[in-house]
Amino acid sequence: DAGVTQSPTHLIKTRGQQVTLRCSPKSGHDTVSWYQQALGQGPQFIFQYYEEEERQRGNFPDRFSGHQFPNYSSELNVNALLLGDSALYLCASTITLPGSNQPQHFGDGTRLSIL
Amino acid sequence: SQELEQSPQSLIVQEGKNLTINCTSSKTLYGLYWYKQKYGEGLIFLMMLQKGGEEKSHEKITAKLDEKKQQSSLHITASQPSHAGIYLCGADMNNQGGKLIFGQGTELSVKP
Repeated sequence: DAGVTQSPTHLIKTRGQQVTLRCSPKSGHDTVSWYQQALGQGPQFIFQYYEEEERQRGNFPDRFSGHQFPNYSSELNVNALLLGDSALYLCASTITLPGSNQPQHFGDGTRLSIL
Repeated sequence: SQELEQSPQSLIVQEGKNLTINCTSSKTLYGLYWYKQKYGEGLIFLMMLQKGGEEKSHEKITAKLDEKKQQSSLHITASQPSHAGIYLCGADMNNQGGKLIFGQGTELSVKP
């Protein structure tokens, strides 16, 4: 039973470039969330996708966008990269069940470094 | 100030000792989740608490939720080096089952 998988594991970009990160949810999950984790901090919620639509969004600029595909996998795109975007980007998946909260399961993340 | 505060920020204990990590919310909790993270890696789900007074255990780790105090505690009994890592509490504060707010984490070291 494969867990949440993310690619790539590491990425180095320069300021102003664009990046795409990918995530495959755990088998049986239909909802994907993305988080940004700076060094020494807890993860910060970017957005969540369900039924190929953005369902919730955190306090991140429009440079951060996403997509969910029919197979539930997801992409996170970041445009016009800034030095401050350097972080560990975590993908989490869960299953949406009416009237029931389910835990989110996390991937190992993509370490993004901006030079 | 943080919506979710963890204490202590770091902890060093001798192997075999018990320890407790606290997580306090400034808002109503609709769900409280505990995770463990090894440095630079993903989060491993430990436990989910949803009801006031709820208590769950997994191996030597026990978590409790005090709804009135908007607080949760994670207790490890007879700590082992394998317990070392960063413990994070995450909370659902809008009852929509999506966005989790995380504390800043508690770094635990266990000395053999």
